[in-house]
Order: sequence, then C-alpha cells, then structure tokens
Amino acid sequence: DIQMTQSPSSVSASVGDRVTISCRASQDISRWLAWYQQKPGKAPKVLIYAASDLQSGVPSRFSGSGSGTDFTLTISSLQPEDFATYYCQQGKSSSLTFGGGTEVKIK
Amino acid sequence: QVHLQESGPGLVKPSETLSLTCTVSGGSINSGSFRWAWIRQPPGKGLEWVGSISYTGTTFYSPSLKSRVTLSIDTSKNQFSLKLTSVTASDTAVFFCARFYGSAMDYWGQGTLVTVSP
Repeated sequence: DIQMTQSPSSVSASVGDRVTISCRASQDISRWLAWYQQKPGKAPKVLIYAASDLQSGVPSRFSGSGSGTDFTLTISSLQPEDFATYYCQQGKSSSLTFGGGTEVKIK
Repeated sequence: QVHLQESGPGLVKPSETLSLTCTVSGGSINSGSFRWAWIRQPPGKGLEWVGSISYTGTTFYSPSLKSRVTLSIDTSKNQFSLKLTSVTASDTAVFFCARFYGSAMDYWGQGTLVTVSP
C-alpha cells in the first residue's frame, strides 16, 4: 500500500493569507496525485488532478505542485469560502489511498 | 452533466451485510475510460477508499477490507453496487460513490449514511 501523509493536520489562517498544505507519498507516484476540498455534510470536490492541473471551474488561486513523493497545494489568497478540509489522494496504484486531511480554520 | 446517486438501507444490524447501489445518469457507465469507486467516511474522520470496478467487472479492493467487500456492475442499468459483509459498529460511515478518471475522482454522489446498530 502507498501511504499518504499530509501536513499540517490543521491550520488557522485569515482571509487574504497564503496557505500551503503538504502531502508526502511513501513511494514514487510520479504525478498521479489529486487534491480535494470537502465542506461539512458535502461530498469532496476535486480541485487539482495530475499534481498540478486545475479542474475546470476551480478558481485560479488554487495551485498544485510536486512530483515523485512530495506535493504541495497552495491557496494564494484565502477566501471565506475556502475554509474547509483538504485531502490529497494518490492514483498511481490501483489501490487508491487518501491523506489524513488538513482542516483550514478561521484565525 | 454526470450525476451519481447512492441508495440502500440506512441502518444495518451487526454481523449482517451492508448493500448499496450507485445509479449513474448523464453518462454511460459502459466506458473503458473510467473506473467506478466507493469511498467511506466515518463520522468526524477522513476519507477511506473501499474499492473500484471497471465496466468489464475488473475489481480493486482496499487491502484492509478485501475479505469482506464485493463490488459488482450492471451496465444495462447504469449501476454499480457494494456489498460489505459481517459489519460492526466501526463500519458506520457516510458512503460515497464516485467516478475515477485518470488520477482523480471527478464526480461524486452526495453520500449516504449507513449506521450499524442492533
């Protein structure tokens, strides 16, 4: 199994702040990585696929980078609607795995 | 626009079998481009992939659930299904179905809460 480790588990930030979330894979997954946003009571929504490709309709303040084992999700200027939990997920192996999640909270 | 909808009992007794169906509309399930997945989320916890199935019926299961999970697909009804046997309280979760394309799950159902309780 490929393990996915996210950090931090939570972050407090203000509107307008730049926020970065990290995700580390236990082995090389090339660019087979996706990022999701989940709000309470809702299904996750894909933000980024293939490590850095922005899903259609997602604001450009979201960006992804990385390859191999280390990946980053960046929110360039946090907006009120961005307070949520974010998950990474690897798609290299047919046995998919998610990171533990990062909660972005209001400071 | 692709839409997925989970259906099935919201309450299952311990030791029994949890059965859910996902109905896909707005697109065909009969495509080699996609896999169809189940993901679960215990209350207040993170996401856990349960398994995936292709339109040919090829299945992929979470190693931790493999002994208890069976996925199936009915292309004539545009549906795929999940069975989880010998459930316990720790299987209580919101279950989501989703379409997996490339590296990501791009369409999700709204989720259905399944509670395991006597």
